Amino acid sequence: KQEVTQIPAALSVPEGENLVLNCSFTDSAIYNLQWFRQDPGKGLTSLLLIQSSQREQTSGRLNASLDKSSGRSTLYIAASQPGDSATYLCAAMNTNAGKSTFGDGTTLTVKP
Amino acid sequence: NAGVTQTPKFRILKIGQSMTLQCAQDMNHNYMYWYRQDPGMGLKLIYYSVGAGITDKGEVPNGYNVSRSTTEDFPLRLELAAPSQTSVYFCASSHGGGSPTNNEQFFGPGTRLTVL
Repeated sequence: KQEVTQIPAALSVPEGENLVLNCSFTDSAIYNLQWFRQDPGKGLTSLLLIQSSQREQTSGRLNASLDKSSGRSTLYIAASQPGDSATYLCAAMNTNAGKSTFGDGTTLTVKP
Repeated sequence: NAGVTQTPKFRILKIGQSMTLQCAQDMNHNYMYWYRQDPGMGLKLIYYSVGAGITDKGEVPNGYNVSRSTTEDFPLRLELAAPSQTSVYFCASSHGGGSPTNNEQFFGPGTRLTVL
């Protein structure tokens, strides 16, 4: 059974800092890995999806990497801004039937 | 495109009552999912569907039922509501099949349910 862990549960950084969020998974036979952003009381917004054959994906200030052999994915946020404050969740999908396992998320606070 | 829509946004139920959470998508996606999210936790899969007429259980299906009579709609039924079902419920959809990018999931805004 796939298990997904995100550490730390919470992170607070000053504005402008570059930061890395971590996502670990136990079963390396993943189909893809998706990163989401969730604002308080809101739904999930897709940030990046990395296919199993890829090593990284980039969108603006965000870069996500995938290392299946070590069971890890990272989300790199460059030049953080207060508007980046949110909870970030990762989800590992093991088959093309679309069933994903989610981590519990990392709550990021960027202080002005 | 409205994307994934859910109704209602909020609901309070008494123990033993029943209700249906509505979910619809207008992206012609084949796959649809229901998740629940408890405070401070990630999402757990309740049920999913890979197409009209096909549904299957996820990680936490007990106390829930689903149907998928059309591609667009995927309602979630709660029978005999219990306090343990107090949660935020999210519906999601993806195109499904083929390339891994076809399984990028798109989420609705959620339904916040309280059972007292």
